Amino acid sequence: DQQVKQNSPSLSVQEGRISILNCDYTNSMFDYFLWYKKYPAEGPTFLISISSIKDKNEDGRFTVFLNKSAKHLSLHIVPSQPGDSAVYFCAASYNAGKSTFGDGTTLTVKP
Amino acid sequence: NAGVTQTPKFRVLKTGQSMTLLCAQDMNHEYMYWYRQDPGMGLRLIHYSVGEGTTAKGEVPDGYNVSRLKKQNFLLGLESAAPSQTSVYFCASSSPGQGFTEAFFGQGTRLTVV
Repeated sequence: DQQVKQNSPSLSVQEGRISILNCDYTNSMFDYFLWYKKYPAEGPTFLISISSIKDKNEDGRFTVFLNKSAKHLSLHIVPSQPGDSAVYFCAASYNAGKSTFGDGTTLTVKP
Repeated sequence: NAGVTQTPKFRVLKTGQSMTLLCAQDMNHEYMYWYRQDPGMGLRLIHYSVGEGTTAKGEVPDGYNVSRLKKQNFLLGLESAAPSQTSVYFCASSSPGQGFTEAFFGQGTRLTVV
């Protein structure tokens, strides 16, 4: 049973437009959610996070929204840039423990 | 500041051979993790450690062993490699803080078992 799901394996957007990456989870115990970005041949790097007591967290061009009732979170990138092209992983954890990862969404931003 | 360093970066093993992957972190983190990533899939937790001398099983621990004799090092061992263990392995570390803090990952080890 996959507890964290990213249902879109890939997303392609035009430079300057908004990118929206989605993530669903099933475990209501999760209380912390993170997004990681991964370039080929590199390890994932932390991008942005949100606690379950919040519904939005913003950091520059990146905003994460959390809808607890729907067990859904999304990452918005505005405006998208070609350098944002990467695989984005959603992760969730509870009680400051280990994270469970989704399968990732490959974002391609076209110039 | 090196962060998290994995050794080796690439390795090819024959079925039945053994090997050890080394992970070293210089951030004084308490928690360390070993993940594997297969094509088209996310990171799956193999084993983790919440402190020196402690280890625990993750989602996919079978066929692997780990040791955390020093706080800065976390070793992943394969006693008898199988083709199903062909994967990219990532080590990560994190520090327990107020709530949760992000994990820092190494660059990965690409292992092929033939």
